[in-house]
Amino acid sequence: AQRVTQPEKLLSVFKGAPVELKCNYSYSGSPELFWYVQYSRQRLQLLLRHISRESIKGFTADLNKGETSFHLKKPFAQEEDSAMYYCAPRETNAGKSTFGDGTTLTVKP
Amino acid sequence: NAGVTQTPKFQVLKTGQSMTLQCAQDMNHNSMYWYRQDPGMGLRLIYYSASEGTTDKGEVPNGYNVSRLNKREFSLRLESAAPSQTSVYFCASNDGGGTGELFFGEGSRLTVL
Repeated sequence: AQRVTQPEKLLSVFKGAPVELKCNYSYSGSPELFWYVQYSRQRLQLLLRHISRESIKGFTADLNKGETSFHLKKPFAQEEDSAMYYCAPRETNAGKSTFGDGTTLTVKP
Repeated sequence: NAGVTQTPKFQVLKTGQSMTLQCAQDMNHNSMYWYRQDPGMGLRLIYYSASEGTTDKGEVPNGYNVSRLNKREFSLRLESAAPSQTSVYFCASNDGGGTGELFFGEGSRLTVL
């Protein structure tokens, strides 16, 4: 069965501190990896996807196939980064995405 | 550009009542999905439709039915609501191939008393 683990339900850091949101997955085949974000009173939206190797709002995510991890990182957190973050691998053939339980990030001033 | 639109945004039901959540997308996407979001449990897939005319069960389909009415619309029906179905429901769509990015509706908060 496909499994996604985000071990931290809550994560709190101070503004300007580095932040890392962990994601481990157990998937057959080679899934595509995504991070989605839900800001307060906004709909869920894509933050970044591994395949495009992009950096959005200062966030990056490194795929480690050996450890089957896709951790999200930002060197200097900002207050506007406070949100719920979901790791979501996607089956390449079937197209379905499985979501982790989410991590609520709070960035304190 | 409306994207993915869900109705209603809020609904309160009594146990045993039925209702249908409506979802429409205007992005010409092939695939549509229904998820439920419960506190501490992330999003769980209820049903999905890879293309017009097809539907498949997801992780938690019991107690639900779906209809892919046409390419734009994908409805979720609760025939006999139960308190365990109290949740926030999200509809999403994507092009099925391509980038794989999911586009979400604003969510529908359902309470079953």
